[in-house]
Amino acid sequence: GAVVSQHPSWVICKSGTSVKIECRSLDFQATTMFWYRQFPKQSLMLMATSNEGSKATYEQGVEKDKFLINHASLTLSTLTVTSAHPEDSSFYICSAREYGTYGYTFGSGTRLTVV
Amino acid sequence: GIQVEQSPPDLILQEGANSTLRCNFSDSVNNLQWFHQNPWGQLINLFYIPSGTKQNGRLSATTVATERYSLLYISSSQTTDSGVYFCAVIYNQGGKLIFGQGTELSVKP
Repeated sequence: GAVVSQHPSWVICKSGTSVKIECRSLDFQATTMFWYRQFPKQSLMLMATSNEGSKATYEQGVEKDKFLINHASLTLSTLTVTSAHPEDSSFYICSAREYGTYGYTFGSGTRLTVV
Repeated sequence: GIQVEQSPPDLILQEGANSTLRCNFSDSVNNLQWFHQNPWGQLINLFYIPSGTKQNGRLSATTVATERYSLLYISSSQTTDSGVYFCAVIYNQGGKLIFGQGTELSVKP
């Protein structure tokens, strides 16, 4: 079945630094990838939608200059949290959709802690 | 925007019991999916079910699109069923998955 690899699974960084999270579709081409953020005991909140080769579409209230998304190939999307602050600490999850299907495959998530 | 509401928010079961989780949505949707998030955060797709009924082992799901709700049935629950169950609907534009707030299930031995 479809597999999405997300790295790192957890990261601790200092306030003010940047962190990059990678999301790869291993056995299919993902024309669309989605990035979610999940706070403890809460649901997944969609941050942005990225399509290969074009700029990401951000949801209302999500700062595009802070959460940089690059979808340079059909199998790789990256999320960079720039100038991270403690309030950015959260669980970030990516999802990839295979072209022409409604199948959504999720990565295993990245737990970010900003100290 | 579209609203997705799940009930109950929390559920505690004794192993072997059955349960029904509900998902209501406020607008017509392309389809609906059910997910299980395990305690480590991994999301697993359980059902893609825009309408009708599907079964997979001890789990089954029914969506009545005209009445805007879906139900997830868990029979003979096991401790490994513990976690959070989410329903999510696909918004027409861009295929965005919009999640409900989830039902946190705890199955006790």
